Amino acid sequence: GENVEQHPSTLSVQEGDSAVIKCTYSDSASNYFPWYKQELGKRPQLIIDIRSNVGEKKDQRIAVTLNKTAKHFSLHITETQPEDSAVYFCAARSVGGGADGLTFGKGTHLIIQP
Amino acid sequence: NAGVTQTPKFRILKIGQSMTLQCTQDMNHNYMYWYRQDPGMGLKLIYYSVGAGITDKGEVPNGYNVSRSTTEDFPLRLELAAPSQTSVYFCASSSASWGNEQFFGPGTRLTVL
Repeated sequence: GENVEQHPSTLSVQEGDSAVIKCTYSDSASNYFPWYKQELGKRPQLIIDIRSNVGEKKDQRIAVTLNKTAKHFSLHITETQPEDSAVYFCAARSVGGGADGLTFGKGTHLIIQP
Repeated sequence: NAGVTQTPKFRILKIGQSMTLQCTQDMNHNYMYWYRQDPGMGLKLIYYSVGAGITDKGEVPNGYNVSRSTTEDFPLRLELAAPSQTSVYFCASSSASWGNEQFFGPGTRLTVL
């Protein structure tokens, strides 16, 4: 099955600086890569996603890049703000193989320092 | 639309007890999922369903059962609860599988003592 590794586990940045979170996946057949944000005690919420036929996607301060050859994808947050503090999860969905849900990374706790 | 709702929000069980976690969605989504989230970890897929009457195992199905008699409801049954099942359980739904956002419920925090 799919295996997703996520780094770093904790990331502390100064407000206004950029943050980058990286994930690698194992199944070359994976074709959908969402990123979820989870605030303390809340449900995960989708912030951006990318499909395997696209190399980069941007939505205001958030961007995701995908390198299919290297099997890794990254989340980029620019001009970070205090409300960006949360745990971020990457995920991958592989085609076939039985399980039709997402495989998640272990999460990155992003801390925005004022 | 209420989206995805789950009950109860919290529950404490004794070892060996059974319970059902309820999940309902009002978005007419065909796909529904159950995940568990252990402290400091990502979510792991327990079971999923691609439509009424169809269910399949995910990554960690042992100790759980599901049913899908209607499009809206996808209950998760725990038989003979064990401390290893202490976790936060999230139900999710999506209109399709590939490339479609999964909407999560608020979660059920379960403690087995």
